Amino acid sequence: AIQLTQSPSSLSASVGDSVTITCRSSQDINSALAWYQQKPGRAPTLLIYDASSLKSGVPLRFSGSGSGTDFTLTISSLQPEDFATYSCQHFNSYQWTFGQGTKVEIK
Amino acid sequence: QVQLQESGPGLVKPSQTLSLTCTVSNGSISSGNYYWGWIRQPAGKGLEWLGRIYVTGSTEYHPSLKSRVTISVDTSKNQFSLELSSVTAADTAVYYCARARRPGGYYYYMDVWGKGTTVTVSS
Repeated sequence: AIQLTQSPSSLSASVGDSVTITCRSSQDINSALAWYQQKPGRAPTLLIYDASSLKSGVPLRFSGSGSGTDFTLTISSLQPEDFATYSCQHFNSYQWTFGQGTKVEIK
Repeated sequence: QVQLQESGPGLVKPSQTLSLTCTVSNGSISSGNYYWGWIRQPAGKGLEWLGRIYVTGSTEYHPSLKSRVTISVDTSKNQFSLELSSVTAADTAVYYCARARRPGGYYYYMDVWGKGTTVTVSS
């Protein structure tokens, strides 16, 4: 089964900082990867799909890149509402798989 | 827009079967190319996919839970359901239902989620 490993598990940053989160797959998954944002007590929301496509309505400071086994989510200028947990997710014909999540905290 | 709402017991005894229902509103569960899935999240931990059902009724389940999980759909009630048998304390979690579509035309991602329901396994 495919495994997704995110790094770091958590990070501290300030408003205005640029942050990058990495998701590594145990197998080549082409571009079948999404990123979700989750705030405490809330359900996840889709930010990025197909590795680099921004969901309609998501701020342009969010971007995704990568293909194959290595992917990144970048937040170019962190805003107060961006402090949350971010998870990557893969789809294939047999299953969905999530990374373990990265918590972005206020420094 | 489509909304999902989970319902079911918040407390289940060990060894029993956990049963949850997800009601779909403002849209038909049988229209469109959608997957309908269940995901859970133990307190303080990451998301874990449990299984999914396609509009045709075909299902896939998490390999490690396959022997305990059943997902079904009731189109007449616009609902889909989760059953997880032989539960233990390790099954205590927030359970989410979600809809998945393919915004890019090929791969499916979860674009609509329920608010989640907390299930505790305890005697």
